[in-house]
Amino acid sequence: GGIITQTPKFLIGQEGQKLTLKCQQNFNHDTMYWYRQDSGKGLRLIYYSITENDLQKGDLSEGYDASREKKSSFSLTVTSAQKNEMAVFLCASSNRGLYEQYFGPGTRLTVL
Amino acid sequence: QQQVRQSPQSLTVWEGETAILNCSYEDSTFNYFPWYQQFPGEGPALLISISSVSDKKEDGRFTIFFNKREKKLSLHITDSQPGDSATYFCAASGNNNAPRFGAGTKLTVKP
Repeated sequence: GGIITQTPKFLIGQEGQKLTLKCQQNFNHDTMYWYRQDSGKGLRLIYYSITENDLQKGDLSEGYDASREKKSSFSLTVTSAQKNEMAVFLCASSNRGLYEQYFGPGTRLTVL
Repeated sequence: QQQVRQSPQSLTVWEGETAILNCSYEDSTFNYFPWYQQFPGEGPALLISISSVSDKKEDGRFTIFFNKREKKLSLHITDSQPGDSATYFCAASGNNNAPRFGAGTKLTVKP
């Protein structure tokens, strides 16, 4: 078995601030993902990385940057946090070519 | 543009009843459809999945019915238990595209 760790668990930032969320997985999976979950809107894909040196934009990439530092880690940066922005950011991983994803517990973002 | 749609948004059933959760999609290249279960404060966890070559997948009390022609699928939970109360997400993927998710169905099972 494996685990996905997301840090921090809670993140509070100021409007306009750059904020970074981190994700680590020990499944040895090739592919990693970042999703944003808003209440009532399901999961929306922000960025994903098929392999270690790859980066693909999702449907909601505007306002975010991502970085795949190594196979086991994938970070997401909110480039300029928006006031009243509240969401849960979920990291996931899967084997390349397979779509069974394993999710972390999420990072809850609040912007004041 | 919502590529994957789920209904109903919320569903309440009594313990022992069958809960039916619906999902539809638009992209005909989607060929893999997992369902995830999410409890409050946790990330989604894979519950059951089906590929487009099958029309039914069963795992215990959970069954997926898939209609490729109509681009629809449904998750049936038989003998529903209070512990099944959670939000269920339908997802779709294919052609090396990352999975897209529906908005979810919040299921409540009353004892």
